[in-house]
Amino acid sequence: QVQLQESGPGLVKPSETLSLTCAVSGYSISSGYYWGWIRQPPGKGLEWIGSIYHSGSTYYNPSLKSRVTISVDTSKNQFSLKLSSVTAADTAVYYCARRSSGSSGYPYWGQGTLVTVSS
Amino acid sequence: QSVLTQPPSVSGAPGQRVTISCTGSSSNIGAGYDVHWYQQLPGTAPKLLIYGNSNRPSGVPDRFSGSKSGTSASLAITGLQAEDEADYYCQSYDSSLSGCYVFGTGTKVTVL
Repeated sequence: QVQLQESGPGLVKPSETLSLTCAVSGYSISSGYYWGWIRQPPGKGLEWIGSIYHSGSTYYNPSLKSRVTISVDTSKNQFSLKLSSVTAADTAVYYCARRSSGSSGYPYWGQGTLVTVSS
Repeated sequence: QSVLTQPPSVSGAPGQRVTISCTGSSSNIGAGYDVHWYQQLPGTAPKLLIYGNSNRPSGVPDRFSGSKSGTSASLAITGLQAEDEADYYCQSYDSSLSGCYVFGTGTKVTVL
């Protein structure tokens, strides 16, 4: 069974870079599929941040594209999110997730990790 | 600012049928992109309920069904149960502005 687990600092200062990692178990990232990040501000809805294909191709939300970088480390079977120049508006629960195609939705999710942007 | 609009809340008594609408446009649902539905219980990650407009993943009760027509999609829950009280989100792809996966605004289902 595929399992995903987010990790990273729970507190980031304004203007700094938010960095999170998603460790994958039960499946080799290099074998395929799309690996993505989705966030949810407290009490609000879901927002797709972006995804990376196992080959390294990336797809980003246009509203965040200038600040987002998603990368994959197949040797550690994990992928990462970097979001630069954060503000309080970036405070959210960040989820990593996997989909197989545009018709599959996201059947696999991590438990989520809360990142607070505050000085 | 989501491009997929859902009613903020719906409610029903146990055993009743409720439906949740997801209204999009010609650049997302109307363009033929698939719609997926998620259930989110408090404090947990979203769970995929329906994929590809009307398909249920293994383990999802057949009380949940999805449909799509034109620029809208719907999720129906029949035989409403107390455990169905949760937030529900639709998701699709939008081809405007370089393309992006988008979620609906979310609907809170309350079991009376």
